[in-house]
Amino acid sequence: KQEVTQIPAALSVPEGENLVLNCSFTDSAIYNLQWFRQDPGKGLTSLLLIQSSQREQTSGRLNASLDKSSGRSTLYIAASQPGDSATYLCAVGNNNDMRFGAGTRLTVKP
Amino acid sequence: NAGVTQTPKFQVLKTGQSMTLQCAQDMNHEYMSWYRQDPGMGLRLIHYSVGAGITDQGEVPNGYNVSRSTTEDFPLRLLSAAPSQTSVYFCASSRRGVGNYGYTFGSGTRLTVV
Repeated sequence: KQEVTQIPAALSVPEGENLVLNCSFTDSAIYNLQWFRQDPGKGLTSLLLIQSSQREQTSGRLNASLDKSSGRSTLYIAASQPGDSATYLCAVGNNNDMRFGAGTRLTVKP
Repeated sequence: NAGVTQTPKFQVLKTGQSMTLQCAQDMNHEYMSWYRQDPGMGLRLIHYSVGAGITDQGEVPNGYNVSRSTTEDFPLRLLSAAPSQTSVYFCASSRRGVGNYGYTFGSGTRLTVV
C-alpha cells in the first residue's frame, strides 16, 4: 500500500525567504505526482503535476522536483509572500487512485 | 467552465438519516472520485468511477454508496449517517487515467452528523 508522508507538518517563515516542502512515498511505481494548495475551508487548487518520466516542473515562483527511485519530491517556493500561507498537499497517482499526504501548513509572516 | 461543482456546501444530519451529496463536472472527464478529508489524515478515497455505469471501492467505502448513470454526475449516498462520517467531502475528476492527467477538485461539502 502506498504511504505518503509530508514533513514538516507546519512551517513558519518570514516574508521573502526561500523554502522547501518535502514529500516522500513508499512505492516508486507511480504515474505522476501532484502538488496542491488548500486555503482554510476551501477546496484543493492544483499547483504542479509531474509525470513519472519527468524530473521537475516549474510555475512562476514554484518548482517541484521528483526522484522516483528515492521516493521523494520537493516543492520549492522562492521569495515567499504572505499570500503563500496555506496548506500544501502532495499526492502520488497510479492508474485509478491518488494517495495524499497529510499536508504541510505554511505561514509566511510579513 | 464551471469545472467540478459540489452541492450542498454545508449539511448537518442527525444520526441515522440518509442523504445524497451531489457532484457534477462539465469537462467530459471519464474518471470521477469521492474523497473524505479528516484532520491530520489527509484525503482518503471512498469510491471512484472510470466511466458511466462503472464504479469501484476505494480505501474507506463502508457506509457510502455511489452510482454513475451519466458522464457528468457522480452522487455519493450516505445510507445511515453516523458521527464518524463527520468530515469534509471532496469530489474530483480527471481525464481518462488519473495517473496521466491529475485531478480537478470541487470546493467540498462540510458534513456534520450529530
